[in-house]
Amino acid sequence: GAGVSQSPSNKVTEKGKDVELRCDPISGHTALYWYRQRLGQGLEFLIYFQGNSAPDKSGLPSDRFSAERTGESVSTLTIQRTQQEDSAVYLCASSVITSGRRELFFGEGSRLTVL
Amino acid sequence: ILNVEQSPQSLHVQEGDSTNFTCSFPSSNFYALHWYRWETAKSPEALFVMTLNGDEKKKGRISATLNTKEGYSYLYIKGSQPEDSATYLCALTNTGTASKLTFGTGTRLQVTL
Repeated sequence: GAGVSQSPSNKVTEKGKDVELRCDPISGHTALYWYRQRLGQGLEFLIYFQGNSAPDKSGLPSDRFSAERTGESVSTLTIQRTQQEDSAVYLCASSVITSGRRELFFGEGSRLTVL
Repeated sequence: ILNVEQSPQSLHVQEGDSTNFTCSFPSSNFYALHWYRWETAKSPEALFVMTLNGDEKKKGRISATLNTKEGYSYLYIKGSQPEDSATYLCALTNTGTASKLTFGTGTRLQVTL
């Protein structure tokens, strides 16, 4: 497709279970981001991938969170032993630099509910 | 941690009204200010990217201004329409981390007939 694709669009899980969220970026975009928005809060940076460079993991809230990206393609965000505070919309974005300015293209998000 | 603040948190206007929101940010190490529009059940969509003090951008009925010296940006919507209803997000990048966008909490706009 032409845009950023995320799956699943909705996920309900029980506390303590592991979940995996997937992101298909726009072809040719070298950078990929994961953000999340918890209820009543702003978009929170989680992790950033740029080509083959080491990812910027500075936003991951705990060691239960991890993400992988193979080359410049699909990325997966894994949350182990989910907690209720992990409930959020998880957004993926890929980006391109146009005229020296970075523009992010977002997917529609994966809404995670932890019961 | 960069502190990007948006006000008001929410806004309810009638069709035809003009409105504006504010995004405030630290002025030091400024690199770029982004505005996004996020409609319910859709993906956030880029509106503007501004880098220069005094920049003004316009797209249809929506425009934005930037003051990097005092650390604020205004987003204006002229003659609001119901389809303008969305959350408007601003995001900052600074020179230390030009690849990372730090978002505000957004202004939720609802336009009614």
